[in-house]
Amino acid sequence: DARVTQTPRHKVTEMGQEVTMRCQPILGHNTVFWYRQTMMQGLELLAYFRNRAPLDDSGMPKDRFSAEMPDATLATLKIQPSEPRDSAVYFCASGFGMVNTEAFFGQGTRLTVV
Amino acid sequence: QQQVKQSPQSLIVQKGGISIINCAYENTAFDYFPWYQQFPGKGPALLIAIRPDVSEKKEGRFTISFNKSAKQFSLHIMDSQPGDSATYFCAASMYNQGGKLIFGQGTELSVKP
Repeated sequence: DARVTQTPRHKVTEMGQEVTMRCQPILGHNTVFWYRQTMMQGLELLAYFRNRAPLDDSGMPKDRFSAEMPDATLATLKIQPSEPRDSAVYFCASGFGMVNTEAFFGQGTRLTVV
Repeated sequence: QQQVKQSPQSLIVQKGGISIINCAYENTAFDYFPWYQQFPGKGPALLIAIRPDVSEKKEGRFTISFNKSAKQFSLHIMDSQPGDSATYFCAASMYNQGGKLIFGQGTELSVKP
C-alpha cells in the first residue's frame, strides 16, 4: 500500500523552539511538495522539489523556514524559531512526472505553537 | 492572477440530490484543473481532473464541467450520498510549473440522509 508517510502526526511546542517535520514520499516519486493548511488561508504551497532539487520555495518565510531533501526517501521541513502563527496542518505530497503531476498527500502534521 | 476562487464555502444537500461546486480563475496559462476531496483528519486526495481541451469529464457520479471562455469550472456530484460529506477543493496548475497546484478555498459538503 504505497502512501506518503509524515511524522510526527501531532506536535505541540513552545514559541521559539525548533520544529522538524519529516516526510517519506512514495517510492519512485520524483516530486515532493510541502503545503500548509489553515482555516484562513486554505492550502498554500510552501515549497517543492523535483529529483531532490528545490524548484520553488517562494511560499515559505525564508527567515524561519527551511526545506531539504537529504535523500530520495526523506524530505524535511524545519521551523526555527517557531511562532504561534505557524500553527497549522502541514502536508507533504509526492508525485511522479514532469508536468501536471498528481499529488498524493500524506495525513499531515498538526502543529500547535503555544 | 494566481488565485482560484471557489464557491460556495459550505453546502448542504439531501441524499440523492445533486451537489454543485463552482470555481473561477484568471490566469489563462492554467492548463490542468483537478478536484481534491478531503475527509477530516486526512490529507486531500485526487478525485477527478480535466484539461482545457475538453468541456466535460465524467467518472461515475462525479462530473467536471469546464467553460474555457468564462474561465470557470465546476464539480457536479450526482445522487449525493452521506459518504460524500467532505471538503472539496478545486485547483489549477500550469504546464511549465510542473505540478505546482493553486487551490481554491474549499467547500464543506454535508449530505443529509
